[in-house]
Amino acid sequence: AQSVTQLDSQVPVFEEAPVELRCNYSSSVSVYLFWYVQYPNQGLQLLLKYLSGSTLVKGINGFEAEFNKSQTSFHLRKPSVHISDTAEYFCAVYSSASKIIFGSGTRLSIRP
Amino acid sequence: EAGVAQSPRYKIIEKRQSVAFWCNPISGHATLYWYQQILGQGPKLLIQFQNNGVVDDSQLPKDRFSAERLKGVDSTLKIQPAKLEDSAVYLCASSRGQVEPFFGPGTRLTVL
Repeated sequence: AQSVTQLDSQVPVFEEAPVELRCNYSSSVSVYLFWYVQYPNQGLQLLLKYLSGSTLVKGINGFEAEFNKSQTSFHLRKPSVHISDTAEYFCAVYSSASKIIFGSGTRLSIRP
Repeated sequence: EAGVAQSPRYKIIEKRQSVAFWCNPISGHATLYWYQQILGQGPKLLIQFQNNGVVDDSQLPKDRFSAERLKGVDSTLKIQPAKLEDSAVYLCASSRGQVEPFFGPGTRLTVL
């Protein structure tokens, strides 16, 4: 069975500092991977996705993620965060079981 | 393109009462999902429709939850009777061909 682990429930960073949100998954088959962002009182918005090809994926709002098959990871990064990036971030995995499984989320808080 | 619409946005009920949520997916999206997001957790899939047929309802508590998608467009999710532990945000999402779902703003349910 597939699963997704987000290692940090909260990540505080200073404005303009870099950030990395960690995600590890387990699956015995090929997977597709996603990062979603959820702002307060809103639904989830797709940040980026990995389906195949280049392991470095660029998304919206300056975010990028790197797929590492050997380490079964898909960490999300941004070189310089802004106050507006304050939100909850969810990693998700999809496999041939045709179901998307979400991690428990990482709350990113930006300090001025 | 209009997004996924959900109503109501907020609902407060007493335990043992009934409640229904409505979802209108993005036009042309054949796949519709209902997720339950409990505070501090990632979304959990309750039911997935392909047109008006059920693809996956393995995590739907069928003794109290029901969902339908008449004519393969709009969908309703009902809880009868509600329990305290049903307090959560109920997210509707849809997709067409592509893997990743597009989410609506959600309905926040509070059961007292």
